[in-house]
Amino acid sequence: NAGVTQTPKFRVLKTGQSMTLLCAQDMNHEYMYWYRQDPGMGLRLIHYSVGEGTTAKGEVPDGYNVSRLKKQNFLLGLESAAPSQTSVYFCASSYSTRGEYEQYFGPGTRLTVT
Amino acid sequence: KQEVTQIPAALSVPEGENLVLNCSFTDSAIYNLQWFRQDPGKGLTSLLLIQSSQREQTSGRLNASLDKSSGRSTLYIAASQPGDSATYLCAVPFSGSARQLTFGSGTQLTVLP
Repeated sequence: NAGVTQTPKFRVLKTGQSMTLLCAQDMNHEYMYWYRQDPGMGLRLIHYSVGEGTTAKGEVPDGYNVSRLKKQNFLLGLESAAPSQTSVYFCASSYSTRGEYEQYFGPGTRLTVT
Repeated sequence: KQEVTQIPAALSVPEGENLVLNCSFTDSAIYNLQWFRQDPGKGLTSLLLIQSSQREQTSGRLNASLDKSSGRSTLYIAASQPGDSATYLCAVPFSGSARQLTFGSGTQLTVLP
């Protein structure tokens, strides 16, 4: 049981390049999330998904797109990377038995845009 | 809009001390509150989740309390150890939601041997 995994762990992009971050979970969780973490600003929600085929915007969605084609995977895309997107990206998943939605996090992807 | 504040931003204590980390939130209509631990360069590990109907949750040397009416939670760590050194974050759901979380900026704890 690997929990939540993220690929890649590190990446350096040039401004204007595109990339996709992959998140996978093997816990059969319905809900998945993408956050970014920046010094002094904490974690902020980018996009989330409440089930296969559904996605919604979070607090800071601009410049990102997501897809949830399979229940276990949640992809985060950057179509045209900007230096402001330099950050650490975390994926999380959760489930609810009694309305708890306890979140489980992946190890993160450190992205630098030059 | 829900806002979460954690004070202090950093704390350094000698090994063996009991300590309290504080978390406050602006919208008291929350479903739950979650405490996480983050080690440098790592992801977040869930420590405790307190439902809105609960006042306390305990796990080993950790005890978290929740006072919804005052918008406060505390994380009590008993008999601190150097291995407790990490950043501790609290998070509550967005206003009107049960799922999306708003995080505090964290308290960086250092336990000195």
